[in-house]
Amino acid sequence: AQSVTQLGSHVSVSEGALVLLRCNYSSSVPPYLFWYVQYPNQGLQLLLKYTTGATLVKGINGFEAEFKKSETSFHLTKPSAHMSDAAEYFCAVSGGPGGGADGLTFGKGTHLIIQP
Amino acid sequence: GAGVSQSPSNKVTEKGKDVELRCDPISGHTALYWYRQSLGQGLEFLIYFQGNSAPDKSGLPSDRFSAERTGGSVSTLTIQRTQQEDSAVYLCASSLVSGRFAYEQYFGPGTRLTVT
Repeated sequence: AQSVTQLGSHVSVSEGALVLLRCNYSSSVPPYLFWYVQYPNQGLQLLLKYTTGATLVKGINGFEAEFKKSETSFHLTKPSAHMSDAAEYFCAVSGGPGGGADGLTFGKGTHLIIQP
Repeated sequence: GAGVSQSPSNKVTEKGKDVELRCDPISGHTALYWYRQSLGQGLEFLIYFQGNSAPDKSGLPSDRFSAERTGGSVSTLTIQRTQQEDSAVYLCASSLVSGRFAYEQYFGPGTRLTVT
């Protein structure tokens, strides 16, 4: 069984400031971890994923995340926020590289607000 | 090439009516997933198809929900005797499969279902 907890349903940062979105997971098998972004009235777009190997993964739009097994965390960061980053962000976990038969288990999401 | 498409984009129906939601996956993607996104429950995994087969239907919320996939391509999610709690955005995703692993899921824009 797997679960994901995203701390903070809403996060507000100033344009140019560091973005930090927190994600903790629980998994009975080695996890595969994902961050997705959802813009209004659109589907989900993959930002980055951790499967195996390097624990610091880089994604699109300047985002990166670090897998920390000891902390069961996969926090998402971006050094400098842009207005275009305003969206809903979802952390997800699965038992396989893309989800497989169990699909993805998502967190509740974090709404990122960028203040000008 | 084209991404995952879903139709209709919006559907308003009266309580008790049946609805059909359609998903066209990316060509060549043998894995297909349905998810439901609602305010109360977040993103829930409903069902997974590998080819035309759905190994596990236990994620479907009730026996009013059914899904099928034909020709390894188009999938239909059917909700019978709709209830107000069925109101949500229904998302479809597809992915490539290699061996026993499925890879990155590509999501469609979703169908917003409103039951009045």
